[in-house]
Amino acid sequence: DIQMTQSPSTLSASVGDRVTITCRASQSISSWLAWYQQKPGKAPKLLIYKASGLESGVPSRFSGSGSGTEFTLTISSLQPDDFATYYCQQYNSYSGTFGQGTKVEIK
Amino acid sequence: EVQLVESGGGLVQPGKSLRLSCAASGFTFSTYWMSWVRQAPGKGLEWVANIKQDGSEKYYVDSVKGRFTISRDNAKNSLYLQMNSLRAEDTAVYYCARSIVATFLGVGWGQGTLVTVSS
Repeated sequence: DIQMTQSPSTLSASVGDRVTITCRASQSISSWLAWYQQKPGKAPKLLIYKASGLESGVPSRFSGSGSGTEFTLTISSLQPDDFATYYCQQYNSYSGTFGQGTKVEIK
Repeated sequence: EVQLVESGGGLVQPGKSLRLSCAASGFTFSTYWMSWVRQAPGKGLEWVANIKQDGSEKYYVDSVKGRFTISRDNAKNSLYLQMNSLRAEDTAVYYCARSIVATFLGVGWGQGTLVTVSS
């Protein structure tokens, strides 16, 4: 099975900061990588698909990059609504593996 | 607007069964792969199962194979998860999700239903 590893697990940042989260796959997944945002008590929300495609309605401050085994999610200028947990997920295979999550906290 | 509403969660003893349901609206249910994803309390997300539009293909995470069965009724716009031989480690919020690919890309999620397995 493909394993997904995110770093860091927790990130403390201030409003306006540029934030980068990394996701590594245990084997190549081409560009079949998604990013989700989840707030406490809520369902996940798709932000990015196919490594860099911005889901409709998602602010342009969110961007994704990478291919193969290394991927990043960048928030160009952190806003108050962005404090949440972020998950990467591979969809190269039927296991649909998620990363363990990165919690973005207020510094 | 995509709406997915799960039901059927609750407290169940180890070894017992439970059936979750998901009522879909706001989209053409029969044209999408559908999935279940779960999240144990305070933990991350885990994909559980996928089902093809016509129900002819189903995929499961290894930890539930042989115990859980995903199914759908396109006439009722409904998705189901039959969970047998439940274990404490199955305790989680179970989300119903619409997928736009066979391997699961969740575009549209329900609010989740909590399943607690405990004696």
